[in-house]
Amino acid sequence: DIQMTQSPSSLSASVGDRVTITCRASQGISNYLAWFQQKPGKVPKLLIYAASTLQSGVPSRFSGSGSGTDFTLTISSLQPEDVATYYCQKYNSAPRTFGPGTKVDIK
Amino acid sequence: EVQLVESGGGLVQPGGSLRLSCAASGFTFSSYAMHWVRQAPGKGLEYVSAISSNGGSTYHANSVKGRFTISRDNSKNTLYLQMGGLTAEDMAVYYCARDLSGTTVTTMVYWGQGTLVTVSS
Repeated sequence: DIQMTQSPSSLSASVGDRVTITCRASQGISNYLAWFQQKPGKVPKLLIYAASTLQSGVPSRFSGSGSGTDFTLTISSLQPEDVATYYCQKYNSAPRTFGPGTKVDIK
Repeated sequence: EVQLVESGGGLVQPGGSLRLSCAASGFTFSSYAMHWVRQAPGKGLEYVSAISSNGGSTYHANSVKGRFTISRDNSKNTLYLQMGGLTAEDMAVYYCARDLSGTTVTTMVYWGQGTLVTVSS
C-alpha cells in the first residue's frame, strides 16, 4: 500500500504569515490528492481536491500544488480561524489513505 | 442541502457487534459512492470502507476486513456499516461521507457529524 507522510507534524505561526505544509506519497499518485481541514471538535472539511482545485466556498488564501509524490498546501496569510489540523489524502485507488496530519496554531 | 445523519453508535463489549446507519438527504443518494471514516479519540483520520453508487463494489481497510461490512439501501437513502468482533482499537467516532464525484469513487466532500462507538467491558 502507498504510505502518506506529512511535514511538519505541527507548526506555530503568526497571523498574516505564509504557511506551507508538505505531503509525500511513497509512490506516484498523479494528482489524486485532497486536503482536509479539521478544526478542534469539528467535522473534517474538504479544502482542495485534484491537488490544486479549491473546493467551492474555501477562501482563496488556501492553495495546493504538486503531482506525483510531492504535494504542498499553502495558506498565504494565516488567519485565527485557520487554527486546525490539516490532512492530506490520496484517492487514486484503494486504500484512500490519509496522512498523519499537521496541527497549525497561532504564535 | 446535503445532510448525512449517522446513528447506531454506543457502548459495546469487546467481541460484540454494532450496526451503524447513515441517513442521507438533499441529493440523489443512488448516484454517489459513499464512505466510512473513523477517528479514535485524539488521533488522526482513518479510512475504513467505501461502496460504489449501486453497491456492486466495496472496499474495507485491512484493519477491519472480515469483521466490518459496508452496505447501502438506495430505496431508503441509507448507508450501513455492520461491525463485528469489536476491540478497543475500534473505539472511535465514525463518520459517513459522500463522494465528490458522481461517476467514480474519489474523495469525500460532505461529512456527517459522526457517531461514537465505545468498546469497553
